Parts: sequence; C-alpha cells; structure tokens
Amino acid sequence: SAVISQKPSRDICQRGTSLTIQCQVDSQVTMMFWYRQQPGQSLTLIATANQGSEATYESGFVIDKFPISRPNLTFSTLTVSNMSPEDSSIYLCSVGWRRGGLNDEQFFGPGTRLTVL
Amino acid sequence: QQQVKQSPQSLIVQKGGISIINCAYENTAFDYFPWYQQFPGKGPALLIAIRPDVSEKKEGRFTISFNKSAKQFSLHIMDSQPGDSATYFCAARVSGGYQKVTFGIGTKLQVIP
Repeated sequence: SAVISQKPSRDICQRGTSLTIQCQVDSQVTMMFWYRQQPGQSLTLIATANQGSEATYESGFVIDKFPISRPNLTFSTLTVSNMSPEDSSIYLCSVGWRRGGLNDEQFFGPGTRLTVL
Repeated sequence: QQQVKQSPQSLIVQKGGISIINCAYENTAFDYFPWYQQFPGKGPALLIAIRPDVSEKKEGRFTISFNKSAKQFSLHIMDSQPGDSATYFCAARVSGGYQKVTFGIGTKLQVIP
C-alpha cells in the first residue's frame, strides 16, 4: 500500500481563478491518476499523470482546463483553471504499481474538496 | 455510457442484518472487479475484489458473488454494523494497460441500531 497526502484538503475559490492541488506519495509508484467526484456522484477519471511527459486525458477533459504535472515518481499536481461553480467537486489522487500482476491495485488519497463561488 | 450499473443508490439496514448491493457490467473485457468503501471526508479504500474465474469470495463479513454469464456481481455484508455505514462503489477494470477503473454510481449504506 501507500500513504497518499493531498494539499489542500479543502478550499473555497472565486469564479475565474485557478487552484493547484498537490499529491504526494510516500513511495515511488508506477501510476498516478486524478479523479473527480461530484457531489453525490461516482468517481470519474480525469487523466493519468505520466512522469516526464504530457498527461493522458479522458474524453471530456482537456489540458487547458486541467493541466497536470508529474515531475517524479512520488509527486503530481492537478490545476483546475478558470474555475466555475460546476467545478465544485472532490478531486482525488490515486496511485498504483504496474507490477504486471493481475491484481494490481489502486489506492486513493483523502481528496481535495473544492467549492467555487 | 454507464458501463457499470449499481443498485440501490441508498440502503438502510438494521444492525445485524444483511446488506446487499448489486452491480452489472456490459464490457466483457472487464476481468477484475473491486469494491471500494468510502467514509465521509475520506478517499475510497479497497474492500474486497474478485476475478471472474471464481463465483464467490469471502473476507470476514464481506462476500462477493459473481455471475459471469449474467455479467452481474454483488456485495453481501453479513451481520451489518453501524460502523459499516459508508458509501460503497463497485468497479471494474481490464487487467494490463494503464489500469483504468470504471466505477458504479455508489450505494450509500446506513446501518441503524
């Protein structure tokens, strides 16, 4: 398993501003992901953070809105740009190891609760 | 397109009772089915998982039943306790690749004393 921390844990932001969320893992991981969980909804994958290269975005998510960095194997950031109230969600970092095992697991951070006014 | 359908969305169970949550999937390429438990203010945590080559997996009070032909699987919580009150997500994944996990909509379980 892994100990995953996210900063900030919550924030209230004004429309039109940007917020950068940090994800730190206590050990090197192969895979890092960013999810969004809207109020009362399921988890939706935003993108896979790739070390040293551009993130891989899922359908409906674009780099200009959600720029992602991953400078090393233990750290990643997600920026929510030009925020609107529709961006109010919990943003979750998830990590995993691709060891090649059939049961490779993903572990989730505690999340960042974002409210946009 | 909701690839993993989960029901019910909310469930109230008496303490000591059995909680049952059902999921169905469409993509036959899915070959790994985890369940996650999420408490308020926390990230989801892996509870139990199953592969389609077995029909049942039990860990303590938690059991997954799997029906490959029907493309359905369910979570049973025996002797439900108030501490089990949480949101439960079923999920599915294709092994290999970059391990994208598809989640169900979630079931908010409340166990009342």
